[in-house]
Formats: sequence, C-alpha cells, structure tokens
Amino acid sequence: NAGVTQTPKFQVLKTGQSMTLQCAQDMNHEYMSWYRQDPGMGLRLIHYSVGAGITDQGEVPNGYNVSRSTTEDFPLRLLSAAPSQTSVYFCASSYSRGGDGGELFFGEGSRLTVL
Amino acid sequence: GQSLEQPSEVTAVEGAIVQINCTYQTSGFYGLSWYQQHDGGAPTFLSYNALDGLEETGRFSSFLSRSDSYGYLLLQELQMKDSASYFCAAGGGRLYFGRGTQLTVWP
Repeated sequence: NAGVTQTPKFQVLKTGQSMTLQCAQDMNHEYMSWYRQDPGMGLRLIHYSVGAGITDQGEVPNGYNVSRSTTEDFPLRLLSAAPSQTSVYFCASSYSRGGDGGELFFGEGSRLTVL
Repeated sequence: GQSLEQPSEVTAVEGAIVQINCTYQTSGFYGLSWYQQHDGGAPTFLSYNALDGLEETGRFSSFLSRSDSYGYLLLQELQMKDSASYFCAAGGGRLYFGRGTQLTVWP
C-alpha cells in the first residue's frame, strides 16, 4: 500500500499560470479532501469529496477546482495562480465521512510558490 | 461557521505532563480528533473521542465534554520527540482543524 500519493512535491509558478496538483490513494477510501497550510493558520479545508462524482466546497474554495471521476483520484486545479496561493497543500483520505472518527491519512504535501 | 480554538504554543521539560485544550464550534459535530505534525512532515492521527470522557492510548490521553464544547489532549512522560504541532479537529461530514499548538519539550 502506497497510501496517499501527491505530486508534485515542489512547484514554482508565475502569477496567472494554471496547474494541477495530483492526489491518488490506494485504500479504497470514499472521503477525500484538500487542505492548505499557511504559517499560523493551521489546516484550512479547500474542497472535499464523499465519493466518485460528488464534490463540495470547504472554507477556502475560491481559485480552486476539483473533480472526482474515480474513487482513487482527487486532483486540485489552480485556475489562475496568485501569490496568495503560495502554501503547502495536503491531500487526505478516510474510509468514513469527515469528522466521524475515521483516521484521516495525509499525503506528504505539495509546496507551491507563486511568484 | 466553525471555529476550533487552541493555544498557539506550550513549553515543558522532559518527563513532565502537558495539557492542550481545544474549544470548538462547528456546524455538525461527530467527535473531536487530535493530530500531530512534526516540522516538514504531514499530520498524523493521534486519537478520536465521540463520547464524553477520557480515552487513553499509551502516554497520550484525550478528553471530550460535549456539553461544554471542549476537549483536551494530555501528554504524559514527555520526550524530546514529542516536540511538534498538535491540532484538534472536528466536523460533521467535513473535517475542520484548529490553528495548532506548537509544543516544545526541553531537556
């Protein structure tokens, strides 16, 4: 089991560029989510999904798109990168709905810098 | 809205006991979770309380009081390797995190 795999681990973008952060899990988890982590701000929920074909917004969804075409994959798209999106991004998955006790398994993180 | 409040930092010496408090307000609540994150790493799951009371897992214990919207993580026999950030998390269908408590353990 690889767990949750995120790519790339590091990325530098210019303002206005678009990119996709990839996330894949091999644990057959229904629940997947994306967080961003900024100093002093903790982990803030961007988008989440409770199963293939179902996505919803979290606390800070603006500027990001997601899709969930398969159980395994949950990519995060930055449509037009801005310096405010410089952050560390974590993908996480769980066998149960968010918050109801299922352990959330995190990827190693993707460090994004927008110039 | 939702908010999870916890102290920003705590310091203690090796062998001591430390308690990290968390008060929460979330739209939907199933239970309170705790996660640990070392510098440069990913958060890892420590514990979960769905019911009121104390849950013990080795040197770590976690407590929940639903009526007070309050919980805490208790770390005993502190070791240097416990220096990390600790996050409380809660939600109902989606999981929200507090801003984290930086624990520094001194020799």
